[in-house]
Amino acid sequence: GNSVTQMEGPVTLSEEAFLTINCTYTATGYPSLFWYVQYPGEGLQLLLKATKADDKGSNKGFEATYRKETTSFHLEKGSVQVSDSAVYFCALSGPANAGGTSYGKLTFGQGTILTVHP
Amino acid sequence: GAVVSQHPSRVICKSGTSVKIECRSLDFQATTMFWYRQFPKQSLMLMATSNEGSKATYEQGVEKDKFLINHASLTLSTLTVTSAHPEDSSFYICSILPYQETQYFGPGTRLLVL
Repeated sequence: GNSVTQMEGPVTLSEEAFLTINCTYTATGYPSLFWYVQYPGEGLQLLLKATKADDKGSNKGFEATYRKETTSFHLEKGSVQVSDSAVYFCALSGPANAGGTSYGKLTFGQGTILTVHP
Repeated sequence: GAVVSQHPSRVICKSGTSVKIECRSLDFQATTMFWYRQFPKQSLMLMATSNEGSKATYEQGVEKDKFLINHASLTLSTLTVTSAHPEDSSFYICSILPYQETQYFGPGTRLLVL
């Protein structure tokens, strides 16, 4: 079945440091890949996504590239801010052309807690 | 602005009682909604897929008689935890799937069973 593995946290960085959160996946076919962020006390929000190999998703300075050859979707940001402190989840959904009961289902990684200090 | 709301945001109940959690889609008609459970410092576990006008589809290991799901309209799905016990204490999150692949999540409901 599908699975997502994220690097274990927590990750603690100083402001303006470079961020990488590793994410690898196992799936059949060609899944879509997502990064969701959960700020303290809030629900999950979609941060970025990529639907096919070599696509790069980007938002708010964060980037991730869909690497089929390494089955990875690592999240990066060049200069983090205190406001980026949150829990980050990597996720995948079934192949884009799938239908039926499995369509749209997300498989999540375990989440990575990021804390950014001033 | 918020796309999905949940009510209540937090509930405390006694063991043996039932608790209903509402999930509302504010901006979209959602034929499909999902219910997740999140344990402290852990990932989200999909419990069931809620389909408007039909029975919910439960994931393996989730008791359908304990977690009753009703998707009565295109904007409302409810999760009822029946005869709740302390081990049911958790964070319950719903999401909607208004169009291809992108899910929007509610803020979650914290359930504490005493």
